[in-house]
Amino acid sequence: GENVEQHPSTLSVQEGDSAVIKCTYSDSASNYFPWYKQELGKGPQLIIDIRSNVGEKKDQRIAVTLNKTAKHFSLHITETQPEDSAVYFCAASGGSYIPTFGRGTSLIVHP
Amino acid sequence: EAQVTQNPRYLITVTGKKLTVTCSQNMNHEYMSWYRQDPGLGLRQIYYSMNVEVTDKGDVPEGYKVSRKEKRNFPLILESPSPNQTSLYFCASSSGSGGNQPQHFGDGTRLSIL
Repeated sequence: GENVEQHPSTLSVQEGDSAVIKCTYSDSASNYFPWYKQELGKGPQLIIDIRSNVGEKKDQRIAVTLNKTAKHFSLHITETQPEDSAVYFCAASGGSYIPTFGRGTSLIVHP
Repeated sequence: EAQVTQNPRYLITVTGKKLTVTCSQNMNHEYMSWYRQDPGLGLRQIYYSMNVEVTDKGDVPEGYKVSRKEKRNFPLILESPSPNQTSLYFCASSSGSGGNQPQHFGDGTRLSIL
């Protein structure tokens, strides 16, 4: 089955800095790669996603890149703000109906 | 407002006492699923349903049951809960086949089994 590795598990940055979270996957049949943000006491919420026919996607301060050959994808957040502090999860799916999630990254943005 | 609603949000109970966590969505989604979230392990899928009367096991189905009698509802049943099922549970829904679509999550149910 699919295996998704996510790094780092904790990321601490100063407000205004950039943050990068990386994920690798194992199943070459995976073709959908979403990123979710989970705030305290809430369920995960989709912030951006990418499909395997696209190499990069951007939405304001958030971007995702995908390298199918190396089987890795990354979340980039620029000009971080305190409200970006949350746990971020990557996921991969496509080979089956069961999406596989990474273990999460706790992002802390210091004012 | 589009949403996934879980109840209860918190529950403390004892080993062996059957419990049901309800989940309802108002987006007419075909695909619904249950996850458990444990520290350091991320989200693991318990069961999923492609449509009414169609359910299948996820990665960690042992000790759980589900049913999908109506499109909007997908309850999670613990027939004989044990302490290792203490966890934070999320219900999610999505359109189409689900696995390759954005998922909408509820706000979670925190279960403590003593």
